Amino acid sequence: AQSVAQPEDQVNVAEGNPLTVKCTYSVSGNPYLFWYVQYPNRGLQFLLKYITGDNLVKGSYGFEAEFNKSQTSFHLKKPSALVSDSALYFCAPRGPGANNLFFGTGTRLTVIP
Amino acid sequence: GAGVSQSPRYKVTKRGQDVALRCDPISGHVSLYWYRQALGQGPEFLTYFNYEAQQDKSGLPNDRFSAERPEGSISTLTIQRTEQRDSAMYRCASSLGSSASTDTQYFGPGTRLTVL
Repeated sequence: AQSVAQPEDQVNVAEGNPLTVKCTYSVSGNPYLFWYVQYPNRGLQFLLKYITGDNLVKGSYGFEAEFNKSQTSFHLKKPSALVSDSALYFCAPRGPGANNLFFGTGTRLTVIP
Repeated sequence: GAGVSQSPRYKVTKRGQDVALRCDPISGHVSLYWYRQALGQGPEFLTYFNYEAQQDKSGLPNDRFSAERPEGSISTLTIQRTEQRDSAMYRCASSLGSSASTDTQYFGPGTRLTVL
């Protein structure tokens, strides 16, 4: 069984400040972890993924995420937020051998100018 | 290169009608997935194809829903006798490898289905 929790439905951050979008997961076995972003009226866009190796993963648009096995977390971060980062963010774990990604309800990020 | 495309982008239908939603994956991608996303929710898995073989249909909600991918490329999701509760965004994704849990899934723009 797999599950994901994004504890914050909404995150507000001032432009230029660092941002964090939190994610915790539950997966049987070693997890594969993905972050996607959904802009209004557009499809889901892949940001980054953790498969194995270095716990800090760098992705598109300056985003990064840190895998923490002991805390079963995979928080998304960016050092300096842009107004254009405002969107809906989804963390999606995938268990080994699983066919599908498992999505939570997402976190809406608003970057305030 | 071209991404995943879906058609139509919007579909309005009356309750009881059948609808067919099309997905054209990225060229060369072996795996194809269908998800459904209700308003305010994350995408929910429906079904998975490896080439033309439907290998997982555990997410299809009932037997009104079916999908095919006859030549291992384009896929069609069909909903028969639509009901209002079927209204949602239907998303298709494809990935390069075959049943590889590490592969990135690339999503299309979705088809917004509204059942009146």
